[in-house]
Amino acid sequence: KNQVEQSPQSLIILEGKNCTLQCNYTVSPFSNLRWYKQDTGRGPVSLTIMTFSENTKSNGRYTATLDADTKQSSLHITASQLSDSASYICVVSAPGGYQKVTFGIGTKLQVIP
Amino acid sequence: DTEVTQTPKHLVMGMTNKKSLKCEQHMGHRAMYWYKQKAKKPPELMFVYSYEKLSINESVPSRFSPECPNSSLLNLHLHALQPEDSALYLCASSQDSLQNTFYEQYFGPGTRLTVT
Repeated sequence: KNQVEQSPQSLIILEGKNCTLQCNYTVSPFSNLRWYKQDTGRGPVSLTIMTFSENTKSNGRYTATLDADTKQSSLHITASQLSDSASYICVVSAPGGYQKVTFGIGTKLQVIP
Repeated sequence: DTEVTQTPKHLVMGMTNKKSLKCEQHMGHRAMYWYKQKAKKPPELMFVYSYEKLSINESVPSRFSPECPNSSLLNLHLHALQPEDSALYLCASSQDSLQNTFYEQYFGPGTRLTVT
C-alpha cells in the first residue's frame, strides 16, 4: 500500500527561526511530489512540485528537496513568520491521475512571537 | 482569477434533511473534484468530474450524489447523512487532463458540515 509519512506531527518555533519538515514515502512508481500549505479551515495551497529528476525547488522562503532514491523529501522554511502557522502536507503522485495521489497527514507548524 | 468558491461555509443538518454543497470556478478548468477531510486527517478523494462527466467515484455511499451542471459548477447533494459524515468537504479544480497531476489542483476553502 502506498504511504506518505511526515514528521514531526507538530512543531512550535519562534518567529524568525528556520525549520525543516520531513516526508518519507513508499509510493511507486513515482510521478511527482508536492508540498501544500493548509491554513485551518481552508483548502490546501500548492507551494512546490518536484519530479523525479529535480533535487530542489524554491518558492520564496520555502525550499523543498527531493531524494528519489531514498524516497525522502524535506521542506525548509527560512526566517519564519507568524503567517507560516499552518499544516504542511506532503502529497505524492503515482502516474495515472488524481486517483493515484497519496496525501500525508501533515505537520502542524505554529510560529510564535 | 485563481479562486475556487464554495458555499455554504458552514452547514448543520439533521439525518433526515436534504441539502446541497456548491462549488464554482472560473479558471476554465475541466476537471473538478470533491474531497472529504476529517479532523487531523488528510483529504480523501470522493468524486472526480472530467469534462462534466463523472469519471471517478471512490466507492462513496449513495447518500452523497454529485452533479456537474456545467464546466464551472459542481454540486454535492446530501441526503440521509450519518453523524460520521461530519467533516470538511473540499472542492478542487485542475486545468485539464485527469491523467496529469502536474496540473496544479486549486482548492476551495471548504464547507464545514455537521450532521446531528
